[in-house]
Amino acid sequence: GENVEQHPSTLSVQEGDSAVIKCTYSDSASNYFPWYKQELGKGPQLIIDIRSNVGEKKDQRIAVTLNKTAKHFSLHITETQPEDSAVYFCAASKGNYGQNFVFGPGTRLSVLP
Amino acid sequence: NAGVMQNPRHLVRRRGQEARLRCSPMKGHSHVYWYRQLPEEGLKFMVYLQKENIIDESGMPKERFSAEFPKEGPSILRIQQVVRGDSAAYFCASSILGEASEQYFGPGTRLTVT
Repeated sequence: GENVEQHPSTLSVQEGDSAVIKCTYSDSASNYFPWYKQELGKGPQLIIDIRSNVGEKKDQRIAVTLNKTAKHFSLHITETQPEDSAVYFCAASKGNYGQNFVFGPGTRLSVLP
Repeated sequence: NAGVMQNPRHLVRRRGQEARLRCSPMKGHSHVYWYRQLPEEGLKFMVYLQKENIIDESGMPKERFSAEFPKEGPSILRIQQVVRGDSAAYFCASSILGEASEQYFGPGTRLTVT
């Protein structure tokens, strides 16, 4: 089955700097890759996603890149702010009807003021 | 437009009791997924349901756990004879379509077994 790895497990950056989180997946049939942000005591919130027919997607300060050949995808956050502090999860799905998500173990991002 | 709703938000049960977790999907969503999250870990898939059907329960333990999504009312995850290892956060997600569509998560139910 699918296996998703995520690095780093913790990341601290100064406010205004960029943060990059990387994930790798094992199943070449996976074709949908969402990213979730989870704040303490809350449910995961979808922040951006990418499908396998696209190499890069951007939404304001957040961008995701996908390398299908290498089977890895990355989340990029620019101009980080203290409110970006949270746990971020990547996930992979085969995208067929009803396929569940396989999540990475998470990255705890701390943005220091 | 209300998001995914889960209740209760916190549930305390003694070993051997039953736990019932409820999930109401977003309006217009007919697909429900249940995930379990242990402390400091990622989410693990448990079960995927459509109205009145269990589509995939490959992530759910064979014993003591069951799930349903009736024609009317919320989806329910039921854990019988709870043990301390069942203590976790249980999240429900819903989607409008099954095929590679976005899943939106509820706030979760934090189950503590004493």
